[in-house]
Amino acid sequence: AQSVTQLGSHVSVSEGALVLLRCNYSSSVPPYLFWYVQYPNQGLQLLLKYTSAATLVKGINGFEAEFKKSETSFHLTKPSAHMSDAAEYFCAVSDRGYQKVTFGTGTKLQVIP
Amino acid sequence: DAGITQSPRHKVTETGTPVTLRCHQTENHRYMYWYRQDPGHGLRLIHYSYGVKDTDKGEVSDGYSVSRSKTEDFLLTLESATSSQTSVYFCAISPQGSGNTIYFGEGSWLTVV
Repeated sequence: AQSVTQLGSHVSVSEGALVLLRCNYSSSVPPYLFWYVQYPNQGLQLLLKYTSAATLVKGINGFEAEFKKSETSFHLTKPSAHMSDAAEYFCAVSDRGYQKVTFGTGTKLQVIP
Repeated sequence: DAGITQSPRHKVTETGTPVTLRCHQTENHRYMYWYRQDPGHGLRLIHYSYGVKDTDKGEVSDGYSVSRSKTEDFLLTLESATSSQTSVYFCAISPQGSGNTIYFGEGSWLTVV
């Protein structure tokens, strides 16, 4: 069965500091992995996805994530936080050949001026 | 823009009444989903559909039913609304060949009083 765990429901960083949001997954087969972002009172927007090509995936707004099979992780990073990055971020996993997508519980990112 | 329209966007209803949420898509995608979002739980799958009249349960399907009589419409019905069903409901689609990538609608805010 597929599942994801997001470590830390709230993360605070200073503007200009590194953003690191953690995601660990469980999957019985090679997975697809995703990060989504949600701004207040809006739907979820795809940030980036891993499907099987390069293990380092670049997304929108300067975010990237690295697939590490040995650590079953897919952490999201951004070198320098901007105030506009304040939002809630969701990690998600889907087993190949299985159409369901399972989401984590989310991490709210606060950016301090 | 994923071409998804949800209606109504906001609704207040009384306990015990039936409620139907509608999801309409314009691009003939085969796969459609209903998720609910609650603080601390992230997004949880209620039901999904893989074609007209083909639906299956997700992880939180109790108290909900769905119907898909046309490719473009996926209806979610709360048979007898309860306060625990107060939530934000998101419809989503997944294009074939997209690596199970989910694209969301804007959400429907439901309050059961």
